This record gives sequence, structure tokens and C-alpha cells, in this order.
Amino acid sequence: GQQVMQIPQYQHVQEGEDFTTYCNSSTTLSNIQWYKQRPGGHPVFLIQLVKSGEVKKQKRLTFQFGEAKKNSSLHITATQTTDVGTYFCAGLNSGGYQKVTFGIGTKLQVIP
Amino acid sequence: ETGVTQSPTHLIKTRGQQVTLRCSSQSGHNTVSWYQQALGQGPQFIFQYYREEENGRGNFPPRFSGLQFPNYSSELNVNALELDDSALYLCASSPRTRDRAKDTQYFGPGTRLTVL
Repeated sequence: GQQVMQIPQYQHVQEGEDFTTYCNSSTTLSNIQWYKQRPGGHPVFLIQLVKSGEVKKQKRLTFQFGEAKKNSSLHITATQTTDVGTYFCAGLNSGGYQKVTFGIGTKLQVIP
Repeated sequence: ETGVTQSPTHLIKTRGQQVTLRCSSQSGHNTVSWYQQALGQGPQFIFQYYREEENGRGNFPPRFSGLQFPNYSSELNVNALELDDSALYLCASSPRTRDRAKDTQYFGPGTRLTVL
């Protein structure tokens, strides 16, 4: 079945440093979505990438979708304490029904 | 807020009992997916409902079942609860558009189930 690997699982950064999390799928994806989950909360949708090689930016966040539509990354520039949380990638399969497979998540801690 | 609501927010059950969780989808969304999120893990796909029919299932046993109603709200039922069923149960609603690749899921706040 489809697998989505995400690394690293944990990342501690000093406030102001950059942060990147990477996602790899075992199969080609229709799209990839990124979510942020704060402790005790639920996943909150950040962005969706659909096109091969797509790059999207949201303020300090940059999202990329690989040319083969099997990998993706999220990069945060100059982290802030408000960036703390777990970032999940989730790949939508190319099959007949809408199954979304989540990565294990990257838990980001920002040290003030 | 996404407009997706779930009830109850928290629930405590004992092994062997049955539980029903509820989800109201966002207005205009006809598809509901259910996920189980164990502590420290990513959400795992349980199943999806589209227009009142199951439309795909993950690796969960038959004691996990569901329903979708004409107003697109949904229920998740779990029979014969086991300790490992303790988790956050999330539902997500989405529209079903012509370009399926652009459909986006919006998650509810979840129901935290504890099985003792």
C-alpha cells in the first residue's frame, strides 16, 4: 500500500533559525497537503500542492512539490515561537477514492 | 474554524463496550473521512463516505463501521472496544469536485476516546 515517510521526526531550533521537513511517498500522488497541529489540537490545513514542481509561499513558509510528485518539503525561514507544533504532510492517492495517507509528522520545538 | 463539528469531545469507555462518534460536515461538503490518531502518530485513514456509501477503507477491522446521512453528517461506530482503540478520532469533510486532485479536507476538532 501507499506509504508516506517524513523526516525528521523531531527538530529543536533556536528562534530565528530556519527549519525544513521532508516528505517522501512510495507512490505518485495526486496532491500533497500540509497540516499543522498544535499540542492538544487537531490538524489545521496549511496548503495543498497539485502540480509537478509546484512551489508556494505563505509569508515565512515555502512549500515544494517534487517533479515526480512523490516528494515534498516545507521550509520555515526565521522560526518564531508561534511556529511550535507538529507539521504533517499528507498525500492523496491517485486511485478511485480519496484516501489521504499522512506522514508521521515532524515535531518542531523553537527555543526562545 | 473549519465548520466541521464533532461530538462528544471526550469519552471514556471500558474494554468490550461499543461507542458511537458523530461528525457534522462543513456546509456544501458531501464527503466525510474518518481518521484515528494515536498519541505521537499521524492520523490513520479509517474510511470515507460519499453520498451515504462507503467509498474506501483503510486497514481497520470490521468492528469499525460507519454511516453517512442525507444531510452528509456521519457516525463512526466501534464495537468490542480494545485498549489500543484509545486515540483521537478525527473526521474531515471535503467537497467532491470535478478535479479530484484539488479537493481539500477540513478537519474537525476530534473526539478523544479513552478505553480502560
